[in-house]
Amino acid sequence: GQNIDQPTEMTATEGAIVQINCTYQTSGFNGLFWYQQHAGEAPTFLSYNVLDGLEEKGRFSSFLSRSKGYSYLLLKELQMKDSASYLCAGSWFSGGYNKLIFGAGTRLAVHP
Amino acid sequence: ETGVTQTPRHLVMGMTNKKSLKCEQHLGHNAMYWYKQSAKKPLELMFVYNFKEQTENNSVPSRFSPECPNSSHLFLHLHTLQPEDSALYLCASSQGKNRALAGGRNEQFFGPGTRLTVL
Repeated sequence: GQNIDQPTEMTATEGAIVQINCTYQTSGFNGLFWYQQHAGEAPTFLSYNVLDGLEEKGRFSSFLSRSKGYSYLLLKELQMKDSASYLCAGSWFSGGYNKLIFGAGTRLAVHP
Repeated sequence: ETGVTQTPRHLVMGMTNKKSLKCEQHLGHNAMYWYKQSAKKPLELMFVYNFKEQTENNSVPSRFSPECPNSSHLFLHLHTLQPEDSALYLCASSQGKNRALAGGRNEQFFGPGTRLTVL
């Protein structure tokens, strides 16, 4: 089966930049999602990459390299409210729908 | 608010109880999903319904029984659970098969989850 790997925990300082990496197996891959999940809340959609390159959306950017099976989420000008888990999820077409396989999530702690 | 609601938000049950989790989506989607989220583990897909038809049962024990009466509602019936079944159970919805075939993004929208504790 497909495996999604991402670091378990990261810490960063308010106002700084942090990059969260994600690797996956490339066979049959469709696209890659990033979700944010605050403690006790639902995961919420951040970004989707299907083509190689960088997608920028405000303070958040996401990068994909399909050939390398690699993605990262870049968070700029960090704020305390960015403390959350960030879930990387790969999409594979299976059984008539896009099946998502999630990584275990990266818990980001932003300190003053 | 993501347009997906779940009830109850918290549930404590004994191993001999029978209970049901409910999910409702107000987004006009055609696919609905149940996931299990345990501490420090990836989200585990349990069941998928596409246009009310179950398309995936990810080797889930029979003590979990899903039901999808229409495209807007999804239930997870629980009976004779084990303590290791304690987890956050998340429901999600997406636009479904047609959108996926068209190459669309087809992201999943999640509900807030039910925190289940089995004693």
